[in-house]
Amino acid sequence: AQTVTQSQPEMSVQEAETVTLSCTYDTSENNYYLFWYKQPPSRQMILVIRQEAYKQQNATENRFSVNFQKAAKSFSLKISDSQLGDTAMYFCAFTANSNYQLIWGAGTKLIIKP
Amino acid sequence: DGGITQSPKYLFRKEGQNVTLSCEQNLNHDAMYWYRQDPGQGLRLIYYSQIVNDFQKGDIAEGYSVSREKKESFPLTVTSAQKNPTAFYLCASSMVGTRGEKLFFGSGTQLSVL
Repeated sequence: AQTVTQSQPEMSVQEAETVTLSCTYDTSENNYYLFWYKQPPSRQMILVIRQEAYKQQNATENRFSVNFQKAAKSFSLKISDSQLGDTAMYFCAFTANSNYQLIWGAGTKLIIKP
Repeated sequence: DGGITQSPKYLFRKEGQNVTLSCEQNLNHDAMYWYRQDPGQGLRLIYYSQIVNDFQKGDIAEGYSVSREKKESFPLTVTSAQKNPTAFYLCASSMVGTRGEKLFFGSGTQLSVL
């Protein structure tokens, strides 16, 4: 079975610090996609970053970057220069090339303190 | 502006009652999805549809029903057979054809039992 595990239920850091959220997954597929979604207090789910498994280069979107370790099945999200608006639930998700369904982790609640 | 509209924002269900959650999109997306979100858990797929007049069960379809008569609309009915309907329900859409496409989400409906 394909699973996604986020081992940190909650994290908090001071504004402007760097924080890393961890995510591991389990699959026998070779081609797949990984995502980080953000759910702020408004509860609307927003895509943060996307990584294709066949690409060795780690994806980057402004202050957000990933550390994708395919052999270790690890996909962590790094947020640099954290801002108050980064306070949200962060979900890691995975989809294999064989289907359209997303498998979701349980989420990490991130609190940025002023 | 293109997007996904879910209504109502809050919904209350009485014992034995069926209720319908609305989801409309004007993004011209082929695929639409319904997810259930419970506290401390990742999103779980209820139903999805990749084309008009066709839909497939997700992981937790029991007690729910859907229809896809129009490309823009994908309503979800929570039937009286769903014994634990209290949850946050999210509708999403995406392009079909390329796996790994990002999902666009609505703002959700919070369903509670009276």
